[in-house]
Amino acid sequence: GIQVEQSPPDLILQEGANSTLRCNFSDSVNNLQWFHQNPWGQLINLFYIPSGTKQNGRLSATTVATERYSLLYISSSQTTDSGVYFCAVPRGGSNYKLTFGKGTLLTVNP
Amino acid sequence: DAGITQSPRHKVTETGTPVTLRCHQTENHRYMYWYRQDPGHGLRLIHYSYGVKDTDKGEVSDGYSVSRSKTEDFLLTLESATSSQTSVYFCAISDSRNTGELFFGEGSRLTVL
Repeated sequence: GIQVEQSPPDLILQEGANSTLRCNFSDSVNNLQWFHQNPWGQLINLFYIPSGTKQNGRLSATTVATERYSLLYISSSQTTDSGVYFCAVPRGGSNYKLTFGKGTLLTVNP
Repeated sequence: DAGITQSPRHKVTETGTPVTLRCHQTENHRYMYWYRQDPGHGLRLIHYSYGVKDTDKGEVSDGYSVSRSKTEDFLLTLESATSSQTSVYFCAISDSRNTGELFFGEGSRLTVL
């Protein structure tokens, strides 16, 4: 099945710093999603981004489907950005069966 | 926020007992899902539903059954809970636009002793 690799596995930042999280996938896909799991365990949908670039406030995401990767940019990080960031792609040609990466654990210190 | 409610949010039970987790949505979305999240394994799909009485298996469906008698409710049942089913269970929904964009509930933490 499709493989999803996220990097880095862990990232520690000072408040105000910028960061880039990467998601590589092993097969062509027609959609990709980014999620944030906060320290309280809530899973929040950040982006649905099959291709191109989207922005939402301090966060933006870019997917280059032809090269099989996606990037999540966090600018001017805040302590509330801490948590685990997951990317997910469809498995087996179905948009309804997703394979998740193992995530990037982001810690933003004040 | 998507209107998704899971119950119970926390449950401790003993091996061999039946357990049912409920997911209720107010979005009238066609698709509903049950995932489990475990350290080292990440999020894995258990079952999903694409309409009332229409369900399909995910990648870790053994030991679980589901039912969907109404659009708004999706039940996950462990007929005889085992310690390996100790996990955090997440319900999710997506609409009918064929994109599969997921929105998650708050999660239910199940401990099987």
